[in-house]
Amino acid sequence: QQPVQSPQAVILREGEDAVINCSSSKALYSVHWYRQKHGEAPVFLMILLKGGEQKGHDKISASFNEKKQQSSLYLTASQLSYSGTYFCGTEMSTGKLIFGQGTTLQVKP
Amino acid sequence: EAGVTQFPSHSVIEKGQTVTLRCDPISGHDNLYWYRRVMGKEIKFLLHFVKESKQDESGMPNNRFLAERTGGTYSTLKVQPAELEDSGVYFCASSQGSRSRQETQYFGPGTRLLVL
Repeated sequence: QQPVQSPQAVILREGEDAVINCSSSKALYSVHWYRQKHGEAPVFLMILLKGGEQKGHDKISASFNEKKQQSSLYLTASQLSYSGTYFCGTEMSTGKLIFGQGTTLQVKP
Repeated sequence: EAGVTQFPSHSVIEKGQTVTLRCDPISGHDNLYWYRRVMGKEIKFLLHFVKESKQDESGMPNNRFLAERTGGTYSTLKVQPAELEDSGVYFCASSQGSRSRQETQYFGPGTRLLVL
């Protein structure tokens, strides 16, 4: 089943924080987060596998709730380079990813 | 280490013509995936190879799409004949092991296909 992302779009000023959510009505096997800039390849950010897991690097982190039905991506002190479309994807049994509809993030100076 | 590469980067063709897209995965990666993103929508799965075998082709839209992976290396995706609704960005991704799950998929830059 396709995960649902919210919000669909967000506009920030540099230095502000943002949270992007990825939800499903059923438990997800795992969550993969990607960022895609216009005209470029989606870039892998992180993967979460276990309920209750949290991980991150630099000022981007993510969590996976205990029931594995929601993941959130946290962007703190946003930079211009954070602009792009963020996708969460969940794995199916064969390894393919089913992506959410994407969240467009625009960071302004 | 070279990333996933795709060719061509752009293709503009007329309805009814044939187009072949190529993907070279990261060397040594057994898993190769094709995805498509239609403008403004989500990235959708098309099919998955493990080495030269088709593991899952449940996302292929119809029999106008044919994918091959010769010798388990590069892959081609042919659309014949192309229709207007085939326009979009076609991404290829690869991951390392035969386990498939829990592995990072590395995406290529995509081929932007426009069918007129």
